[in-house]
Amino acid sequence: GIRVEQSPPDLILQEGANSTLRCNFSDSVNNLQWFHQNPWGQLINLFYIPSGTKQNGRLSATTVATERYSLLYISSSQTTDSGVYFCAVDLRYSGAGSYQLTFGKGTKLSVIP
Amino acid sequence: ETGVTQTPRHLVMGMTNKKSLKCEQHLGHNAMYWYKQSAKKPLELMFVYSLEERVENNSVPSRFSPECPNSSHLFLHLHTLQPEDSALYLCASSQDLAGGEANTGELFFGEGSRLTVL
Repeated sequence: GIRVEQSPPDLILQEGANSTLRCNFSDSVNNLQWFHQNPWGQLINLFYIPSGTKQNGRLSATTVATERYSLLYISSSQTTDSGVYFCAVDLRYSGAGSYQLTFGKGTKLSVIP
Repeated sequence: ETGVTQTPRHLVMGMTNKKSLKCEQHLGHNAMYWYKQSAKKPLELMFVYSLEERVENNSVPSRFSPECPNSSHLFLHLHTLQPEDSALYLCASSQDLAGGEANTGELFFGEGSRLTVL
């Protein structure tokens, strides 16, 4: 099956710092999403980004599908950004409404005051 | 609040018990999922339901039994579990815009049910 590798596995930032998280995947994908899991377990969808660049406030993401990687940028980090960031991909182009996302192991981010 | 609600949030059960996890989505989606998240492991897809029909069962042991009575509700029935089944069980939903058209691709998760098997 497809492999999803995220780096770094752990990251500690001072509040206000910027960071880049990386996701490499082993095959061409039609669906790539970034999620944030807060310390209570809630997973929030950040970006649906199988290709191109998107921005949402202090967060932005870029996927270079031809080179099989995606980057998540966090600028001016805040303590509320702490948690685990997951990249998830699906090979299939789905017209049937369902996805079979394969998740990476995540990057655990700790933002300290 | 993501529009996907899971109950109970925490569950402790013995190996001989029978319990159920419940998921309800208020987003009008037509696909629902169960994922398992164990310590130190990536999220694992367990079951997928699309239009109330099971479309995927990723080699999950039969002691886990899903049920999808309608597009808004999803259950995971648990019986004779093992201690290694202790994990966070996450429900998710997604929307099919129309047959053959590209979907938005977004998956919405509930807050999870943390299960401990003694």
